[in-house]
Amino acid sequence: QVHLEQWGAGLLQPSETLSLTCAVYGGSFTAFFWSWIRQPPGKGLEWIGEINHNGATNYNPSLKSRLTISLDTSKNQFSLNLTSMTAADTAVYYCGRGLGGRSTVDYWGQGILVTVSS
Amino acid sequence: QSALTQPRSVSGSPGQSVTLSCTGTSGDVGRYNYVSWYQQHPGKAPKLMMSDVSQRPSGVPDRFSGSKSGNTASLTISGLQAEDEADYYCCSYTGSYKLGVFGTGTTVTVL
Repeated sequence: QVHLEQWGAGLLQPSETLSLTCAVYGGSFTAFFWSWIRQPPGKGLEWIGEINHNGATNYNPSLKSRLTISLDTSKNQFSLNLTSMTAADTAVYYCGRGLGGRSTVDYWGQGILVTVSS
Repeated sequence: QSALTQPRSVSGSPGQSVTLSCTGTSGDVGRYNYVSWYQQHPGKAPKLMMSDVSQRPSGVPDRFSGSKSGNTASLTISGLQAEDEADYYCCSYTGSYKLGVFGTGTTVTVL
């Protein structure tokens, strides 16, 4: 059974950098794309970006200048770094297992509420 | 990339059928057969209900079905049940930046 568990800071001040990590338990780590998706409170979902086992990434153009997604294949983990956080970045951040090139996430992490406030 | 358009809400009585629409453009829904649907209960992570327009993942009841015509994809729930009350989001691959673009979301209410 596949399980994704994510962690990271939940409260940031404006201009700080968000760092989240997602660990993957079960299943293959190399056969999939690993995604980050966010959801502002009361709003819809937004695909942040994804990475495959070779390190190839696809980023949302609106976040690309602030975004880095990386992976550690030795630990079956992948991470998100988003710099210069503002209140507009306040959201629940989810990690997920993507079926590459098909914009489909079949397993999701539990989600972390990240609040940006001074 | 603009979000796909979904009706804000849909309702039905138990046992009835409801159809949720998801309208995109010729650059996403209309071009690729990579439309997925997610169910989200309050406070929970989304759950994959349909992939590749009409492929139902293991464990999803067969009263959920998907289709697509032109730039509009649809999810039909037949035999509506109380546990189907949730938010539903569609998502389509978009070649412009090789990621998915989500719909605005539809709240399904079981009367």
